Amino acid sequence: NAGVTQTPKFRVLKTGQSMTLLCAQDMNHEYMYWYRQDPGMGLRLIHYSVGEGTTAKGEVPDGYNVSRLKKQNFLLGLESAAPSQTSVYFCASSYGASGGALNEQFFGPGTRLTVL
Amino acid sequence: AQSVTQLDSQVPVFEEAPVELRCNYSSSVSVYLFWYVQYPNQGLQLLLKYLSGSTLVKGINGFEAEFNKSQTSFHLRKPSVHISDTAEYFCAVSENYGQNFVFGPGTRLSVLP
Repeated sequence: NAGVTQTPKFRVLKTGQSMTLLCAQDMNHEYMYWYRQDPGMGLRLIHYSVGEGTTAKGEVPDGYNVSRLKKQNFLLGLESAAPSQTSVYFCASSYGASGGALNEQFFGPGTRLTVL
Repeated sequence: AQSVTQLDSQVPVFEEAPVELRCNYSSSVSVYLFWYVQYPNQGLQLLLKYLSGSTLVKGINGFEAEFNKSQTSFHLRKPSVHISDTAEYFCAVSENYGQNFVFGPGTRLSVLP
């Protein structure tokens, strides 16, 4: 069981370039999330998905797009990168809306993105 | 909408001393509460969680937290900290069916020798 994996681990972009971050989970989780972490601001939710083929906006969705074509994968895209998107990005997954002990989120190791 | 406050951004403490990291939340419905820990250059991992039942929850590494509904708090405690507990700690709240999590800004715990 690899858990939640993220690709790549590090990336440097120039302003205006595009890229896609890949998140994969092998726990058959329904829900997946993308967060960004900035100093002093904790984690802020960018987008999330409650199942294959569905996505929804979180707290800070502007400048990002996502897709969930397969249950195990959740992609985060930056169409035209800006220096304000320099951050550490974390993917997470959870079982879903059943409640109880199934609500725990499992996190990936993070992707450190720098936009010059 | 729910929100989470962690009043202390940094907490320095000497090794073997007790520590309490504070977390308060606001929500109009029932919530699930979590504490996550993030060691340097790593992702977050679950420390403990409150879903229902006993208000005193025990987690990994000797940590525990107490849910206080009247004060809308979920403070994290450890009676004796170690150098290895140096990390950032995040409180999180999830409403109802956990569709959306809200994290606090984090508290950086520094354990000094």
